[in-house]
Amino acid sequence: NAGVTQTPKFQVLKTGQSMTLQCAQDMNHNSMYWYRQDPGMGLRLIYYSASEGTTDKGEVPNGYNVSRLNKREFSLRLESAAPSQTSVYFCASSEIPGQGKGNTIYFGEGSWLTVV
Amino acid sequence: KNQVEQSPQSLIILEGKNCTLQCNYTVSPFSNLRWYKQDTGRGPVSLTIMTFSENTKSNGRYTATLDADTKQSSLHITASQLSDSASYICVVSFAGNNRKLIWGLGTSLAVNP
Repeated sequence: NAGVTQTPKFQVLKTGQSMTLQCAQDMNHNSMYWYRQDPGMGLRLIYYSASEGTTDKGEVPNGYNVSRLNKREFSLRLESAAPSQTSVYFCASSEIPGQGKGNTIYFGEGSWLTVV
Repeated sequence: KNQVEQSPQSLIILEGKNCTLQCNYTVSPFSNLRWYKQDTGRGPVSLTIMTFSENTKSNGRYTATLDADTKQSSLHITASQLSDSASYICVVSFAGNNRKLIWGLGTSLAVNP
């Protein structure tokens, strides 16, 4: 049982390049999320998808786009990478929508992105 | 301002000893409080979730307490093991119009043999 799987694990980009982070979950969860984690800051929500076919902005959506491809997959795209997007990115999922409710959120292993 | 503050920032203990980590929050209105464990280089893993009506919740050797009146929570680790070395993050759910999770910065725990 893989849980939440995200790729790639590590990536170095040049400023202005684009890339897509892939995420898939095998728990049949309805909701999926993308977070970023930076030193000295708590995890911050970039985008989330409450259910298949819907996506919403989180706290820090600027510079990112997302696609909920199907119930299993939720991708995060950086159209023109900037050094400020150097971070660790986590994909997550939960059975019921709403990160504010009493549901357990399961995280992937993280993707380390460096923009030079 | 809705904030979550954790203490201590870091802690070193010997294997087999107990320890308690603290979390103070100013989030209001409040829905629930979570504790996560994050190993170095890994994603966070949920330990406990407590609503405002719950005082304590256990998960094996981990016991979380909550005092919603004083807006304080603690995570107690009993009989620590080397595998407990990790960052422990307190997360509070904001129940206002813009529902969101507010993450603390974590306490870094090192368990030495």
